[in-house]
Amino acid sequence: DSGVTQTPKHLITATGQRVTLRCSPRSGDLSVYWYQQSLDQGLQFLIQYYNGEERAKGNILERFSAQQFPDLHSELNLSSLELGDSALYFCASSVGGLHTEAFFGQGTRLTVV
Amino acid sequence: KNEVEQSPQNLTAQEGEFITINCSYSVGISALHWLQQHPGGGIVSLFMLSSGKKKHGRLIATINIQEKHSSLHITASHPRDSAVYICAVRSYSGGGADGLTFGKGTHLIIQP
Repeated sequence: DSGVTQTPKHLITATGQRVTLRCSPRSGDLSVYWYQQSLDQGLQFLIQYYNGEERAKGNILERFSAQQFPDLHSELNLSSLELGDSALYFCASSVGGLHTEAFFGQGTRLTVV
Repeated sequence: KNEVEQSPQNLTAQEGEFITINCSYSVGISALHWLQQHPGGGIVSLFMLSSGKKKHGRLIATINIQEKHSSLHITASHPRDSAVYICAVRSYSGGGADGLTFGKGTHLIIQP
């Protein structure tokens, strides 16, 4: 158990809908990262938050947004969903940034039908 | 942008064999991670390296910063080692902390 909790584990929704994925980091970790794993693109970095502030952005679509709350949990919001958004979404947390180890949650498997 | 190349893409070996998975990257990094992903999908962090060598049980990871290359070794491999092994790097980025850039993974199968 990495200590990072993601909910829900599975999510099936229709095209055009909006969903929210939730991540609770390990106790004491200030950084939260979101990643997408799809069959064709592999694992890709989406966005990072550090202590409530957006720190870095990767390949995140404009239809996607995220935030980190004062209790350090984070949510990834995916809207106007398309079939191609079907993927595993991982959250990871770390104490800090560059030189600190990241711990991954079990992922949320999103299926858009 | 950092490019991360892993080899081999697929590897099938017999139980007990010594396994080596290689990772090369294109630009300077602050750290390199080796991750393990089992068929259920969950990702486990095996090592984080910025220099030298680390060992944990039957797993050994090495990194050569000058050559921009890392290897993951598994000694006395076992069927439970069957998984996808992913190399990921964290690049320097103007004081900020970017997310990881991932290789495509090595799919390892250890046969009894």
